[in-house]
Amino acid sequence: GAVVSQHPSWVICKSGTSVKIECRSLDFQATTMFWYRQFPKQSLMLMATSNEGSKATYEQGVEKDKFLINHASLTLSTLTVTSAHPEDSSFYICSARADSGRFYNEQFFGPGTRLTVL
Amino acid sequence: AQSVTQPDIHITVSEGASLELRCNYSYGATPYLFWYVQSPGQGLQLLLKYFSGDTLVQGIKGFEAEFKRSQSSFNLRKPSVHWSDAAEYFCAVGGNNDMRFGAGTRLTVKP
Repeated sequence: GAVVSQHPSWVICKSGTSVKIECRSLDFQATTMFWYRQFPKQSLMLMATSNEGSKATYEQGVEKDKFLINHASLTLSTLTVTSAHPEDSSFYICSARADSGRFYNEQFFGPGTRLTVL
Repeated sequence: AQSVTQPDIHITVSEGASLELRCNYSYGATPYLFWYVQSPGQGLQLLLKYFSGDTLVQGIKGFEAEFKRSQSSFNLRKPSVHWSDAAEYFCAVGGNNDMRFGAGTRLTVKP
C-alpha cells in the first residue's frame, strides 16, 4: 500500500516553544491531508483538513492560530504547535488522501508523533 | 451528521476463540466504512473497508466484517483470535473529506 511518514516520531519540548511536525506521502501525491489528535486511550479527533495551495479548514473548537498548518507541496504538510503548553501534549496523527492511481481517494495514515510539553 | 458508536470499550477473549467487535454508524447517505487496528504507540493499520457491493468484506489478518444497512452496523469478526491480535480497534465512517472514528474497542487476548 501507499506509505505516509511523520517526523519526528516523538518530541519533548518546553512550555512556550513551538514544535513542527511533518507529514509526507512517500510514493503518491496528496492534495488533501488530514491532521488528527488522539488523547491517551481515546479515539482520533479530526483537527483540520489541509489542502495544497490553500488555507486549511479547521474543525470547530480547534484554534487555527495555535495549530498552524502549511501544505507546501503535494507530498508534504506540516503542523506547527505554537507556544505549546502541557495540555497540548498528545499523539498527533496525519493522513493523506491519494490523488490518483491504484489507491485513488483512499486515506493512508502516518505512524503518529507523540508530543510531550513539559 | 455522521457518527460512529462502538458499544464495547474493552473485550477479553481467549486465544483461539472467536471474536466480534460491534460498530454502529449514523450517516445520511451510503457510507464508506472502515476498520483500523492500532497497537500501543503506533499509527493506524487498515484492516478492511466497505465502499459498495458485497456486504461481507474480507480483510487482512483473517478479519472480516459485514455491512448490514437495516441495522446500521458494520461488525468486525475473526473466527480464531491470536495473541498478536491484542490491540485497539477503531471503526470509522466517511472517506473523501473527513473520517469519523468510533471511541475504539480494546481487545485483550488471554492465553
